[in-house]
Amino acid sequence: EVQLVESGGGLVQPGGSLRLSCAASGFTFSNYSFNWVRQAPGKGLEWISYISISTRTIYYADSVKGRFTISRDNVRNSLNLQLNSLRVDDTAVYFCARVRRIAAGGTGVCDNWGQGTLVTVSS
Amino acid sequence: DIQMTQSPPSLSASVGDRVTITCRASQRIGKYLNWYQQKAGKGPKLLIYAASSLESGVSSRFSGSGSGTEFTLTISSLQPEDLATYYCQQSYSSPPFTFGPGTKVEIK
Repeated sequence: EVQLVESGGGLVQPGGSLRLSCAASGFTFSNYSFNWVRQAPGKGLEWISYISISTRTIYYADSVKGRFTISRDNVRNSLNLQLNSLRVDDTAVYFCARVRRIAAGGTGVCDNWGQGTLVTVSS
Repeated sequence: DIQMTQSPPSLSASVGDRVTITCRASQRIGKYLNWYQQKAGKGPKLLIYAASSLESGVSSRFSGSGSGTEFTLTISSLQPEDLATYYCQQSYSSPPFTFGPGTKVEIK
């Protein structure tokens, strides 16, 4: 069974840092790309970062570019997101999502998601 | 960037009703459109990919159609467990992997 389990969320002051992790199991981690997606309280889904299988391709949303860093560890089957210079509007549940390529092409679909980890930025 | 819109923002329907949600893209995206269901307190679940392909294990009550800029998600016979928010997402170009704003489905 595919499982993605996020951890590392918590309460942090504005300007602070956190490191989120997503532990993967039940599939061959190194064969997939991944996204981080967040959801502010009561709001919709916002894609924030993507990392390819080889790590050669990495994307960030403009809202987090220069502050967040995505990485992966294919030995530990772990996806990570370093959050620096946190702002109040970064408060959200952060989800990791596995990206599956489909025969039709395109950028792929998020076929499995974790349950999320809550990051609260407040003084 | 490609912008996604959804209508209606919310709807209330009775068990057994046919429900349709519309998603529009700001430019043509072929059939690169996916639909997700999110229940309260849970991560999203993939329902439909490539506009009309049903994800494995998803109820056949769900179907998708459309291409270009206009897409629909249909629930053929609404069930109590379909209470959720539904999001479309374009997978035509990256980044960003844009989501629609969501449609909240309630049961009368």
